[in-house]
Amino acid sequence: DAGVTQSPTHLIKTRGQHVTLRCSPISGHKSVSWYQQVLGQGPQFIFQYYEKEERGRGNFPDRFSARQFPNYSSELNVNALLLGDSALYLCASSLTDSSGNTIYFGEGSWLTVV
Amino acid sequence: AQSVTQLDSQVPVFEEAPVELRCNYSSSVSVYLFWYVQYPNQGLQLLLKYLSGSTLVKGINGFEAEFNKSQTSFHLRKPSVHISDTAEYFCAVSERESWGKLQFGAGTQVVVTP
Repeated sequence: DAGVTQSPTHLIKTRGQHVTLRCSPISGHKSVSWYQQVLGQGPQFIFQYYEKEERGRGNFPDRFSARQFPNYSSELNVNALLLGDSALYLCASSLTDSSGNTIYFGEGSWLTVV
Repeated sequence: AQSVTQLDSQVPVFEEAPVELRCNYSSSVSVYLFWYVQYPNQGLQLLLKYLSGSTLVKGINGFEAEFNKSQTSFHLRKPSVHISDTAEYFCAVSERESWGKLQFGAGTQVVVTP
């Protein structure tokens, strides 16, 4: 079975632009989370979705938004990009939002803002 | 609120020597604990997790960790490392009521040399 897949793998954007990152969870997984990992730091939680509903949001500005589709795939949108948004964006999925389910990560989308 | 402190930013170690990576956490509620590994230019892979029960947890690739509630620690160990263990290691916690929302430490870079 395929793991968590993310696209695109790399992209370069200009300050002020908008970006959409996509994530397909492992087949059968209904919970998707997004993390931002700035170079040299640990990942920071951005959003969690379960059954198409937002279950949690980290300390990120409103420029960051996400949604989950009926097939459980997810998009992360970032508006008005800043240089500081340059990071690796990781998507993670788990079977449900119940404790004990292993959380699997994708390989991420590298975003560079210039 | 919770926090995770990884006490060493970088740990150099010789091949076949033991290694210990230290992790301390703080939280006002009960938590689950995790160790993830990140190889260069890749996503995160789960090494092991502590949910409940035995405080000594065995994971993949010969790693193990011990949960110490009184010291709020979850140190990771491996008795004999290989060159292929060179990677970044992240300790993470999740509140028991918020499965899927991981709080990560800053990471420990392990460099294994012959």
